[in-house]
Amino acid sequence: DAGITQSPRHKVTETGTPVTLRCHQTENHRYMYWYRQDPGHGLRLIHYSYGVKDTDKGEVSDGYSVSRSKTEDFLLTLESATSSQTSVYFCAISGGQGNTEAFFGQGTRLTVV
Amino acid sequence: AQSVSQHNHHVILSEAASLELGCNYSYGGTVNLFWYVQYPGQHLQLLLKYFSGDPLVKGIKGFEAEFIKSKFSFNLRKPSVQWSDTAEYFCAVNGYGGATNKLIFGTGTLLAVQP
Repeated sequence: DAGITQSPRHKVTETGTPVTLRCHQTENHRYMYWYRQDPGHGLRLIHYSYGVKDTDKGEVSDGYSVSRSKTEDFLLTLESATSSQTSVYFCAISGGQGNTEAFFGQGTRLTVV
Repeated sequence: AQSVSQHNHHVILSEAASLELGCNYSYGGTVNLFWYVQYPGQHLQLLLKYFSGDPLVKGIKGFEAEFIKSKFSFNLRKPSVQWSDTAEYFCAVNGYGGATNKLIFGTGTLLAVQP
């Protein structure tokens, strides 16, 4: 498996609290992605990064922000968690533009109560 | 904007039956195409990929897919499924150009193989 670590793996939080999920890679890959997986919706792209400090929105970015201050770390922040953000979050990395597949982390199960 | 459609949401087959899962994408430029598999409780793993060249690509575990550019399709096939193929399958497209490398997934197909 590619060197991708997501933390935490499980989290329960209360509505209205801020939450930060971390994705750490040891592959020195340029591209990093955050997805959420929900039944019937597949994987939906939240935000992605194509370099340090270079990020862009995905399909479902409302309520989420990201930061990438160094190549190996990509942080996903829920500024004020809502119950609709209860989901499994996956981080993925990809090495090169167009010609490589993505490798996935183990996922973070987030429950907002 | 790029998008991916998977038409089969839930498929039930008996062992040894043949499988074909549909995938259509929308993107005006050059694409890379992928099929991923997710076994229960696990993360996504790559089954196969198409970048260029032969439109018929072979992946792991006997899976193959055919890229038909005129139909914007990339259907997954397997001649004879096994119980261990029970999983969720995702088609993905990476439309590239410029600096970005956006990878978009379909909604997935849940395959149940009955022994």
